[in-house]
Amino acid sequence: AQSVTQPDIHITVSEGASLELRCNYSYGATPYLFWYVQSPGQGLQLLLKYFSGDTLVQGIKGFEAEFKRSQSSFNLRKPSVHWSDAAEYFCAVGKNSGYALNFGKGTSLLVTP
Amino acid sequence: ETGVTQTPRHLVMGMTNKKSLKCEQHLGHNAMYWYKQSAKKPLELMFVYNFKEQTENNSVPSRFSPECPNSSHLFLHLHTLQPEDSALYLCASSQTRTGDGTGELFFGEGSRLTVL
Repeated sequence: AQSVTQPDIHITVSEGASLELRCNYSYGATPYLFWYVQSPGQGLQLLLKYFSGDTLVQGIKGFEAEFKRSQSSFNLRKPSVHWSDAAEYFCAVGKNSGYALNFGKGTSLLVTP
Repeated sequence: ETGVTQTPRHLVMGMTNKKSLKCEQHLGHNAMYWYKQSAKKPLELMFVYNFKEQTENNSVPSRFSPECPNSSHLFLHLHTLQPEDSALYLCASSQTRTGDGTGELFFGEGSRLTVL
């Protein structure tokens, strides 16, 4: 069965610093991978996705993620964090059935001045 | 309207009440989902509907009853809930891979449920 692990529950970075959020997946075939962001009291918004092709994918709000099959990872990065990036970030993998996604437990990002 | 719309945004109910959550998607997708998001827990998939047919029920208690009258509307009927059912209930839709889509989920803003 597909599963996703986000090792970091909380991360604190200074505004302007770089960011990397970790995501590891368990899946037997080529996965469909996603990163979502959730602001307090809101639904989830898609940041980026990977299905195939170039392993470095660009998303909205200046985020990117790199698929590394050898490490079963799909880490999210941003070169310079803004205070508005403070939110909960979820990594997700597409299931065999092609329907629902399995989500990680999320990483809460705090941005300090 | 565009996207996925959920109503009500907030709901407070007693354990003996009956209420319903509504979700509507304007994206022309073939699949709709209910997820439960509790504090300090990962998102829990509750139900999946594909072309109005229920394809997944993840051992959800019978006090939660879904209804999908068409591909654009999804309801979650609630009755005799427990305080531990208090959570954010998220609706999502997608065009599944088997329906020539990429499977990404589009979420509504959620319905915050409090059971007293």
